[in-house]
Amino acid sequence: AQTVTQSQPEMSVQEAETVTLSCTYDTSENNYYLFWYKQPPSRQMILVIRQEAYKQQNATENRFSVNFQKAAKSFSLKISDSQLGDTAMYFCAFQVAYGQNFVFGPGTRLSVLP
Amino acid sequence: KAGVTQTPRYLIKTRGQQVTLSCSPISGHRSVSWYQQTPGQGLQFLFEYFSETQRNKGNFPGRFSGRQFSNSRSEMNVSTLELGDSALYLCASSLATGNYEQYFGPGTRLTVT
Repeated sequence: AQTVTQSQPEMSVQEAETVTLSCTYDTSENNYYLFWYKQPPSRQMILVIRQEAYKQQNATENRFSVNFQKAAKSFSLKISDSQLGDTAMYFCAFQVAYGQNFVFGPGTRLSVLP
Repeated sequence: KAGVTQTPRYLIKTRGQQVTLSCSPISGHRSVSWYQQTPGQGLQFLFEYFSETQRNKGNFPGRFSGRQFSNSRSEMNVSTLELGDSALYLCASSLATGNYEQYFGPGTRLTVT
């Protein structure tokens, strides 16, 4: 069975600064996908970034980038130039290739301070 | 294009009752997944429906069931409600089953008293 761990229940960062959220996972699979989802307060969950395990290049989406270390089973999210709108719960998620059900981590509550 | 919609948004039920939640996926999406979100257990996968068939099921008791209609709309039912069933129930739709991006709805907050 797959497990996803996020060791930082809460984090805060000053506006315009950079913050890194940690995620580790455990799996015996070789082909899988990793995701970061964002859930703003009282708003819908949205996909931030996605990484295919077979790709060595780290995914980047504007101010969001990941550091994917397959051997270490680590998948951290870096947010650059943090904005107040980045305040949210961030969930790391794992999906086996050709599978559908996601396994989510417990989440990290990020607060961006003005 | 309209997003994923869930009805009702809020619901209060009594222990022992049953409840039905509804999810309308994005137009053209044929896969619907359901998740339970609680502060203690986080986000847990309930089940996934694709083409009116349950494709995957999480580790939940048989009191939790679902179905999907020919228009891809899905319902989930919880019978004999327990206090521990209080949660935010999220629905997500995707184009098809497999590794497609999931789009989440706003959720239905169920409170069991």
